[in-house]
Amino acid sequence: EDQVTQSPEALRLQEGESSSLNCSYTVSGLRGLFWYRQDPGKGPEFLFTLYSAGEEKEKERLKATLTKKESFLHITAPKPEDSATYLCAVHPGYNKLIFGAGTRLAVHP
Amino acid sequence: DGGITQSPKYLFRKEGQNVTLSCEQNLNHDAMYWYRQDPGQGLRLIYYSQIVNDFQKGDIAEGYSVSREKKESFPLTVTSAQKNPTAFYLCASSIRLAGGKRTDTQYFGPGTRLTVL
Repeated sequence: EDQVTQSPEALRLQEGESSSLNCSYTVSGLRGLFWYRQDPGKGPEFLFTLYSAGEEKEKERLKATLTKKESFLHITAPKPEDSATYLCAVHPGYNKLIFGAGTRLAVHP
Repeated sequence: DGGITQSPKYLFRKEGQNVTLSCEQNLNHDAMYWYRQDPGQGLRLIYYSQIVNDFQKGDIAEGYSVSREKKESFPLTVTSAQKNPTAFYLCASSIRLAGGKRTDTQYFGPGTRLTVL
């Protein structure tokens, strides 16, 4: 069964304390892996798309990496405004995305 | 500005009522989707459409219906047959449903929160 698991469920960081969020997946035929940011009561905001193992993408304090079994979202020197839920989704070989449950990140000053 | 709009932002439904959630996009995307989000769970696909006048059921289509009469619009009706409709509903769109070996990014609207009274 195709599955996406995100860990940890929740993460509390001090401002400036770097860390990583994990997205592990078991799917048949990966067409793409997506990271989104979601603020409370709002729709997910697109961050990155990764297509193949070894690929990396960066945006400000965020860096996403991909292997054959998992993806990491690295957050370097986070700020309170980085607090949000981060969602991972994979597109297997058929017509839908499979979403993880998300990681709730809280960054405290 | 291009984007996806959903209305209303909040919606309250009485028992036995049908309600319709609006989704409009001006991105010229062919594919549109409806998801449901519940606390502690990943987004679940309700319906999707890859072209006008065509749509397919997702994983949790029971109690819901859709139409796609225009490329820009993909309204979702929550019928009285949906026993637990209280949730956050998200509409999304992408250029195409599937782009060969690579997939196209799905972009989301701001969401509609539906509450059953």
